[in-house]
Amino acid sequence: NAGVMQNPRHLVRRRGQEARLRCSPMKGHSHVYWYRQLPEEGLKFMVYLQKENIIDESGMPKERFSAEFPKEGPSILRIQQVVRGDSAAYFCASSPPAGAQQYFGPGTRLTVT
Amino acid sequence: GENVEQHPSTLSVQEGDSAVIKCTYSDSASNYFPWYKQELGKRPQLIIDIRSNVGEKKDQRIAVTLNKTAKHFSLHITETQPEDSAVYFCAASIGYGNKLVFGAGTILRVKS
Repeated sequence: NAGVMQNPRHLVRRRGQEARLRCSPMKGHSHVYWYRQLPEEGLKFMVYLQKENIIDESGMPKERFSAEFPKEGPSILRIQQVVRGDSAAYFCASSPPAGAQQYFGPGTRLTVT
Repeated sequence: GENVEQHPSTLSVQEGDSAVIKCTYSDSASNYFPWYKQELGKRPQLIIDIRSNVGEKKDQRIAVTLNKTAKHFSLHITETQPEDSAVYFCAASIGYGNKLVFGAGTILRVKS
């Protein structure tokens, strides 16, 4: 059973470009969470999604950030017009429908130059 | 909103000694408390968790205790080994869907 997959693992973008981060949950998991980790800090919740639904986006910045989890394919976190402050590690986690345990992917390390 | 405080921020112990990390949470509705270990540049790994209907849980050298009345929970690592060196995060679940609020982390160094 493959774990949570994320790609790319490293992403470099110039200021003003768009970043797309992908997350494939573990097999059988239908809940996806995105967290952001700034250098030498803890993880901050961004958004919680189920298939085709955003359940809780209370941690997402109001502008430039969006997330989706389509019926087919991975969940995508999209950051438009990136700024240097967006540089961070972005982790997704998945959990089964009735479970609380969240398992993390390897993360995408975004660097904005 | 929910807040999770974690102490200490750094902890150095001698190999073989025990290590204890403590967390407090603010939302009395929280009912799930996981602990994650994160090595440099790696993903957070779930090492143990506890639900609010249980006071203590143990898995080999790792144990977690929960005091719901006082709203605090602790991680105990016995017989520490150099490979236990990492950053440890506590978390508390809140709201529908169990989103996690994390503590700021504890850097554990085990000296051999």
